[in-house]
Amino acid sequence: GNSVTQMEGPVTLSEEAFLTINCTYTATGYPSLFWYVQYPGEGLQLLLKATKADDKGSNKGFEATYRKETTSFHLEKGSVQVSDSAVYFCALRRGSNDYKLSFGAGTTVTVRA
Amino acid sequence: ETGVTQTPRHLVMGMTNKKSLKCEQHLGHNAMYWYKQSAKKPLELMFVYNFKEQTENNSVPSRFSPECPNSSHLFLHLHTLQPEDSALYLCASSQDLGQGFPGYTFGSGTRLTVV
Repeated sequence: GNSVTQMEGPVTLSEEAFLTINCTYTATGYPSLFWYVQYPGEGLQLLLKATKADDKGSNKGFEATYRKETTSFHLEKGSVQVSDSAVYFCALRRGSNDYKLSFGAGTTVTVRA
Repeated sequence: ETGVTQTPRHLVMGMTNKKSLKCEQHLGHNAMYWYKQSAKKPLELMFVYNFKEQTENNSVPSRFSPECPNSSHLFLHLHTLQPEDSALYLCASSQDLGQGFPGYTFGSGTRLTVV
């Protein structure tokens, strides 16, 4: 079946550090891939997405590249801020006609000043 | 504010109580969803509605009863819950199911504690 595996947290960083959150997936066909972010006390917000191999999604300084050869969609940010403290979820949608999202368990990131 | 509003934000209920969660969206979306978020577990899709019709029930126990009176409102009626039902319940909406699907818009959730 379709599934997403992301690195376990929690991850604690200092401000301006480099952040990477690993995400790998298992799926048939050509899934679309997403990163969602959940700030404390809030619901999930779409952070970025990629719909085909080699696409790069980017938003708010975050980037992720859809790598079909390694079935990965790792999230990166070059210089984190305290405001980036949140839970990050990797997700996939199996195909363009499928509405279901399969989520990873989430990675909690804490950035210290 | 995302455009999807959930009330209440927090709810504590006993195992014999009956309560309801409410979700409202003013985005003109046609599909609405209930998800359960438990600690350290992937989000679990519970129910899906499209144009007020339920299109999916993901083997959810009958103590959870959804209702969708129109495309803008979604309820989750709760009765005789168990402590393990304590979780964050998230509502989401999307323009359509399937083709043209751009991604969900989530509400802030209702933090439910069953005592």
